[in-house]
Amino acid sequence: SQKIEQNSEALNIQEGKTATLTCNYTNYSPAYLQWYRQDPGRGPVFLLLIRENEKEKRKERLKVTFDTTLKQSLFHITASQPADSATYLCALESIGGRDDKIIFGKGTRLHILP
Amino acid sequence: KAGVTQTPRYLIKTRGQQVTLSCSPISGHRSVSWYQQTPGQGLQFLFEYFSETQRNKGNFPGRFSGRQFSNSRSEMNVSTLELGDSALYLCASSRDGATYGYTFGSGTRLTVV
Repeated sequence: SQKIEQNSEALNIQEGKTATLTCNYTNYSPAYLQWYRQDPGRGPVFLLLIRENEKEKRKERLKVTFDTTLKQSLFHITASQPADSATYLCALESIGGRDDKIIFGKGTRLHILP
Repeated sequence: KAGVTQTPRYLIKTRGQQVTLSCSPISGHRSVSWYQQTPGQGLQFLFEYFSETQRNKGNFPGRFSGRQFSNSRSEMNVSTLELGDSALYLCASSRDGATYGYTFGSGTRLTVV
């Protein structure tokens, strides 16, 4: 069955360091991989999208890598700040085919410690 | 510009009743999708509408249905509510699917008692 896993339920990182979050998947052929941020009681907020034929994408302090051979994405936040503390969700989206249209990981809670 | 608006924010219903949730997408967005979020299962895709037509559907029973109007506003209906339907229901809009990412509303918190 389709499966998407994100690393550890919670990740504690010292302010100023780089936070690295992992997203692994099996039995799914994504056309796109997306990362979202979700704060308590709010809907997810879109951060970055990377296509299956792209290896890396950057936006300000954020960087996403996508390895379709390893079936893995890494999400990096450089120079982390306490305001970056949130839950980060990974999502895979397929176009057509037999896969579910979109599946989400359960998220990684990130705590940036001052 | 205004974001995705979901109403109501909170709802308490009794088992066996039905419920209708509403979603107003960002102006110009023609795709509206619905999701269920629970602590155990995480965020799960219900269905997507584009130009008033259901374009994709997730693995939920037929008690979950939706529709989209000509102004792109969308409603989701759940009939014969079960205790397990208690969840945060999120609506998201986009210009056309994944390419631009999805903009989510704040959700409707449904509690079934």
